[in-house]
Amino acid sequence: DVKVTQSSRYLVKRTGEKVFLECVQDMDHENMFWYRQDPGLGLRLIYFSYDVKMKEKGDIPEGYSVSREKKERFSLILESASTNQTSMYLCASSRRGTVNSPLHFGNGTRLTVT
Amino acid sequence: KQEVTQIPAALSVPEGENLVLNCSFTDSAIYNLQWFRQDPGKGLTSLLLIQSSQREQTSGRLNASLDKSSGRSTLYIAASQPGDSATYLCAAGDTGANNLFFGTGTRLTVIP
Repeated sequence: DVKVTQSSRYLVKRTGEKVFLECVQDMDHENMFWYRQDPGLGLRLIYFSYDVKMKEKGDIPEGYSVSREKKERFSLILESASTNQTSMYLCASSRRGTVNSPLHFGNGTRLTVT
Repeated sequence: KQEVTQIPAALSVPEGENLVLNCSFTDSAIYNLQWFRQDPGKGLTSLLLIQSSQREQTSGRLNASLDKSSGRSTLYIAASQPGDSATYLCAAGDTGANNLFFGTGTRLTVIP
């Protein structure tokens, strides 16, 4: 089974802090994604990566950056956390280049910014 | 931009009932359509994926259909069980498969 592991289930940070969310997958997937999930808004794509050192902006990249130095690891960085970044963050991975590759999600990190 | 809608937002049914969850999307040029399950406080679990060239997929008591021309997909759950209680989300994959557009989900409660 594919396993996508997010390093923290819960995080509490202060406004202005730099925050790192880590995600690791063990199935050699090329694609990795970061979403945030908010009530009434559903899941929204922040960034995705289709290869090492490659990144593409999603729908809501403002205030975030990402890093993919190794194929299995995709990090989301909040440069200066703000209260409107309080949310559930979900990492996902999939195989590239096939129509039949479902998205596999981690269990999420619930971030609270105070 | 693709918009995905799921109605109703919540549904309660007695155990044993067959039920249908609905998903509609605005742009028929999709790569695939995926259905997920999410338990409270957890990530999403992939249930079924329908390629754009397919009409349906089945897994156990679940059957998902896709009608691209009308912009609709349905998830049929047979003989519902309390363990099926969760939020079900559908997502339409764009033609590059680099993004999925998610609905906001239907929260299903199966009453014993």
